[in-house]
Amino acid sequence: GENVGLHLPTLSVQEGDNSIINCAYSNSASDYFIWYKQESGKGPQFIIDIRSNMDKRQGQRVTVLLNKTVKHLSLQIAATQPGDSAVYFCAENSKNRDDKIIFGKGTRLHILP
Amino acid sequence: DSGVTQTPKHLITATGQRVTLRCSPRSGDLSVYWYQQSLDQGLQFLIQYYNGEERAKGNILERFSAQQFPDLHSELNLSSLELGDSALYFCASSPTLRDNEQFFGPGTRLTVL
Repeated sequence: GENVGLHLPTLSVQEGDNSIINCAYSNSASDYFIWYKQESGKGPQFIIDIRSNMDKRQGQRVTVLLNKTVKHLSLQIAATQPGDSAVYFCAENSKNRDDKIIFGKGTRLHILP
Repeated sequence: DSGVTQTPKHLITATGQRVTLRCSPRSGDLSVYWYQQSLDQGLQFLIQYYNGEERAKGNILERFSAQQFPDLHSELNLSSLELGDSALYFCASSPTLRDNEQFFGPGTRLTVL
């Protein structure tokens, strides 16, 4: 069946270090993979997406890597800041699913001082 | 602030009751999405409306229904409420029919006692 899930439920990172949040997926037909961030008490917020025919995409302080061979997606956050504390969701979107975005379970990122 | 508003912020009700959650999308956005977020199920897509018409359905229970009005605001109706319906309900909006970047409201926390 289709599944978008995360390897680790909680990740603790020292402030200033780089964070890497991982995600596995099983739907080879996904057109896009997406990362959202949800801060405490708020709704999710879009971070970045990557088309399935790409391997890497960079944004501001973030990089998403897509490895289709092993069906793995990662979000790298450079120089992690206290404001990066949140739950991060990977998600996927595919044409064969009527434009529905399917979210994974989420990883909580803790920033250590 | 995403520009999406949801009311009420909190709702406490009893089993068997019916409630209506309201969402106003960002100005100009034609798509409205409803999601349910609970601790054990993560963020679950319920339903999408585009310019007044239902476009996609997720795991929405038959006890739940939604609509989008001519002014593009949307309502989610939950009836015959059960304890398990307690969750955060998010509305999101986006400009077109199929957007990876959706703008989420602050959510309505529903507690069923």
